[in-house]
Amino acid sequence: GQNIDQPTEMTATEGAIVQINCTYQTSGFNGLFWYQQHAGEAPTFLSYNVLDGLEEKGRFSSFLSRSKGYSYLLLKELQMKDSASYLCAVKGNAGKSTFGDGTTLTVKP
Amino acid sequence: DVKVTQSSRYLVKRTGEKVFLECVQDMDHENMFWYRQDPGLGLRLIYFSYDVKMKEKGDIPEGYSVSREKKERFSLILESASTNQTSMYLCASSLLASGELFFGEGSRLTVL
Repeated sequence: GQNIDQPTEMTATEGAIVQINCTYQTSGFNGLFWYQQHAGEAPTFLSYNVLDGLEEKGRFSSFLSRSKGYSYLLLKELQMKDSASYLCAVKGNAGKSTFGDGTTLTVKP
Repeated sequence: DVKVTQSSRYLVKRTGEKVFLECVQDMDHENMFWYRQDPGLGLRLIYFSYDVKMKEKGDIPEGYSVSREKKERFSLILESASTNQTSMYLCASSLLASGELFFGEGSRLTVL
């Protein structure tokens, strides 16, 4: 089975750095995705990790440790538009992904 | 530009009605998926398909069926809608190799 845990809510201040954690226990692992979802919109792809280590893309970075079943999404220089839900998803077999419940991030001025 | 289109953004149906949700992608993706999204429960996989006429059950297939007659089109069918199927339904597609999901805008279904 799949068990993916991430915090339900987080709050941070504009300009700050925030780290959103995701832990997983899955029967098959072929990579981990992070998606961003603004209220009322569809999720959109942010990052993908298949090997251990840090992937950096502008203000966003994602880290993976396969031995620990752990990933985090790091958002730097927070902006108001970063207020959204952040979804951690594990890619299993046959290309299907299982999602955590999502973390709702609120950025305050 | 990549596009996944869902036929209806908002639907209101009555208990017992048959409901069709249509999804079309223009990216020649092999895989297509139907998820439902409910507050506090995240995205849950209903069914997916990795090829024409192929389908696999996801985590919550009960009360649903699917059809994939053409590569670009994946339909979700509720044979007899019930109030607990009130939800946001998201269609997605991906290349078999990458797994990165491209989502449609979603269909919000209310069953009265």
